Amino acid sequence: AQTVTQSQPEMSVQEAETVTLSCTYDTSESDYYLFWYKQPPSRQMILVIRQEAYKQQNATENRFSVNFQKAAKSFSLKISDSQLGDAAMYFCAFKSQGAQKLVFGQGTRLTINP
Amino acid sequence: NAGVTQTPKFQVLKTGQSMTLQCAQDMNHEYMSWYRQDPGMGLRLIHYSVGAGITDQGEVPNGYNVSRSTTEDFPLRLLSAAPSQTSVYFCASSYLPGGSPPLHFGNGTRLTVT
Repeated sequence: AQTVTQSQPEMSVQEAETVTLSCTYDTSESDYYLFWYKQPPSRQMILVIRQEAYKQQNATENRFSVNFQKAAKSFSLKISDSQLGDAAMYFCAFKSQGAQKLVFGQGTRLTINP
Repeated sequence: NAGVTQTPKFQVLKTGQSMTLQCAQDMNHEYMSWYRQDPGMGLRLIHYSVGAGITDQGEVPNGYNVSRSTTEDFPLRLLSAAPSQTSVYFCASSYLPGGSPPLHFGNGTRLTVT
């Protein structure tokens, strides 16, 4: 069974600085997808970024980028120029090709200090 | 376009009571699912459906029933609530994975069982 581990329960960063959230996963499969979801205090789950395992190029969405290391099974999220609105719980998630479920990590609570 | 709508937003039940959490989507998505979110455990899949009349169990199905009579609706039933079912429940939908389309989440239902 696949597992996803987020080893940082909480992180904090100064506004305008850069922060990296860690995620590792365990799988024996070669075709899969990885995601980062943001959950602000409103409780809404928002997709931040998505990575296909067969793509070597790291995904980027504006200030959000990932460092995908397939051999190391690592999928970290970098947030550049942190803004107060980035404060949220962040979840890393894994999905096998053809599977019907996402496997989520435990989450990292990110605080932005003004 | 409302997306995924969950009702109610909050609910308090006594042990042994039954209730149904409602979920509706207006995007004509084939795939619908229910997750529960517990502190320190991320989100875990309860049940899912790949179309009207088709449902299957996820990771934590015990104590929950589902049915899918229409494409739009996917209710989750608690037949006899237990304190262990205190959680935040999310409904999510997407087109069927042929690749991995993004999940659209509802805003969640916070359920407390006393």
